[in-house]
Amino acid sequence: AQSVSQHNHHVILSEAASLELGCNYSYGGTVNLFWYVQYPGQHLQLLLKYFSGDPLVKGIKGFEAEFIKSKFSFNLRKPSVQWSDTAEYFCALKGYSTLTFGKGTMLLVSP
Amino acid sequence: DVKVTQSSRYLVKRTGEKVFLECVQDMDHENMFWYRQDPGLGLRLIYFSYDVKMKEKGDIPEGYSVSREKKERFSLILESASTNQTSMYLCASSPHTKTYNEQFFGPGTRLTVL
Repeated sequence: AQSVSQHNHHVILSEAASLELGCNYSYGGTVNLFWYVQYPGQHLQLLLKYFSGDPLVKGIKGFEAEFIKSKFSFNLRKPSVQWSDTAEYFCALKGYSTLTFGKGTMLLVSP
Repeated sequence: DVKVTQSSRYLVKRTGEKVFLECVQDMDHENMFWYRQDPGLGLRLIYFSYDVKMKEKGDIPEGYSVSREKKERFSLILESASTNQTSMYLCASSPHTKTYNEQFFGPGTRLTVL
């Protein structure tokens, strides 16, 4: 079985603060990892993905994530958040077949 | 751009009604998926399909069925809607590759069952 755990359900930050959202997974084999974002009223869209190679992956809008295999983690980071980053963020794992999503982290950035 | 469309953004139905949710993708993707999204629970997979006329149960298939008669269209059916099926329903598609399967999502249908 595969599972994804996101550490925080809600995060509140001020603009310009740094962001790190935690994601841990459980799966014994080769993984593909994703971060998706859902802005208010919009489609779920892909932020970034890890397939293989460099464990530090860069995505859209200044986001990055680091795959640490020994810790089964894939944390999302951004050095300086903006009000427009207010959204719900989902970590997802593809192990055996389908995607398994975490429960999501709602980020609220105050101006 | 990949486009996944869903037939309705908002739907209100009564308990016991049969409900059809339609999803169409225009990128010739082999794989299609139906999820429900609930606050605090994330996305949970209901059913998916790897090919026409083919379906597989996801994590929460009870109370749902699906139909895939054409490659571009994947329908979710609630045979007898119940109030606990009030939710946001998301459709997604992806290409059938042996590598990673990035999924592309539709806008969602918010279903309320009264």
